[in-house]
Amino acid sequence: EAGVAQSPRYKIIEKRQSVAFWCNPISGHATLYWYQQILGQGPKLLIQFQNNGVVDDSQLPKDRFSAERLKGVDSTLKIQPAKLEDSAVYLCASSFTRSGANVLTFGAGSRLTVL
Amino acid sequence: GDSVTQMEGPVTLSEEAFLTINCTYTATGYPSLFWYVQYPGEGLQLLLKATKADDKGSNKGFEATYRKETTSFHLEKGSVQVSDSAVYFCALTQMDTGRRALTFGSGTRLQVQP
Repeated sequence: EAGVAQSPRYKIIEKRQSVAFWCNPISGHATLYWYQQILGQGPKLLIQFQNNGVVDDSQLPKDRFSAERLKGVDSTLKIQPAKLEDSAVYLCASSFTRSGANVLTFGAGSRLTVL
Repeated sequence: GDSVTQMEGPVTLSEEAFLTINCTYTATGYPSLFWYVQYPGEGLQLLLKATKADDKGSNKGFEATYRKETTSFHLEKGSVQVSDSAVYFCALTQMDTGRRALTFGSGTRLQVQP
């Protein structure tokens, strides 16, 4: 099966500019996650969607970050305005909702550098 | 809240050496436990998992046993190869809540020298 697709792979912007990342999950996966991975750290959850509804966005900096998942498939994560500390890899993951261990499949990530 | 603590790296070993990467967790209830691996230039991949106490997850020669009494899930391999060089992440999820998102440790870099 096709994996989780993300774009762009790399983005360099100036602080205070805006950026958007796109994710296409595995077909049939109802749950979609966005994680932020700062260099040298483990991934941190930003937001979780179940279909097109938000399950958890408690760690999303809502003053500058926004995310949507229209029609319960693709998702977009936006940062506006960007700060230096937003430099990180943004990972998208998806999972199939069912009982048992919840296995997440990750995309390759989008690396953001804020200058 | 839930948390995962891993030993700091880098861990540097010679080929065929024995590997242990320590992982302990803090969580309410009965979480499921995972090890993910990130090879250079690649995305996170599931290595193994365990869903209940005393379960042993295994894959590619790696093993980890879910120890509820010590809240640990240490990763082991009997004989490492250069190709095992990567960053390893321990993680947990709470299956009995609607969230189900993974909580990760900070990662441990493994470097295997020929």
